[in-house]
Amino acid sequence: DTGVSQDPRHKITKRGQNVTFRCDPISEHNRLYWYRQTLGQGPEFLTYFQNEAQLEKSRLLSDRFSAERPKGSFSTLEIQRTEQGDSAMYLCASSPLSTNEKLFFGSGTQLSVL
Amino acid sequence: GQQLNQSPQSMFIQEGEDVSMNCTSSSIFNTWLWYKQEPGEGPVLLIALYKAGELTSNGRLTAQFGITRKDSFLNISASIPSDVGIYFCAGEGGSGGSNYKLTFGKGTLLTVNP
Repeated sequence: DTGVSQDPRHKITKRGQNVTFRCDPISEHNRLYWYRQTLGQGPEFLTYFQNEAQLEKSRLLSDRFSAERPKGSFSTLEIQRTEQGDSAMYLCASSPLSTNEKLFFGSGTQLSVL
Repeated sequence: GQQLNQSPQSMFIQEGEDVSMNCTSSSIFNTWLWYKQEPGEGPVLLIALYKAGELTSNGRLTAQFGITRKDSFLNISASIPSDVGIYFCAGEGGSGGSNYKLTFGKGTLLTVNP
């Protein structure tokens, strides 16, 4: 399977703990995106990388959130001092440079903060 | 942030029936996309539309990009049980958003009774 891969699929943590998620995009896709989805809502944009450069961050991404894509391949999203409001599905997507609007999503990481 | 209005919120139909759902916005978009999401999975791209007035089919699915660029519809003909899921519209570019990130509607939940 050469689709977008996310790990872990599920994460349960206690409030105040730090969590880190990983995304492996489709190989050779230059663009990588993180979205967040809560129950009953569509995905909401968090941040976007073109190769290793983080080009935009949403206002939804508080200073407790940090994303990296160090070598322009996989990406990590870290949430520090988690809060119950952080509970959501975190989706990663990638797209090739030529068709930037066709995003291919991974299966997501479902985060539950207790 | 910018939201797309999707209707209906949910549909419960009998197998074999045709389905129609739509998406409207107060802003124009350059691209409209339709995704399907099943429980515990990420959205899967169904159809992408690039030009106002464009009508595109993918098997039993047909979608159109509205002439005003502010709306789109998706039709599913002869529904089958595996069509069950949440259908999301998404817009990209134009006055409604940036050229590289998608704005999603809240989804239409489709249930098909065998």
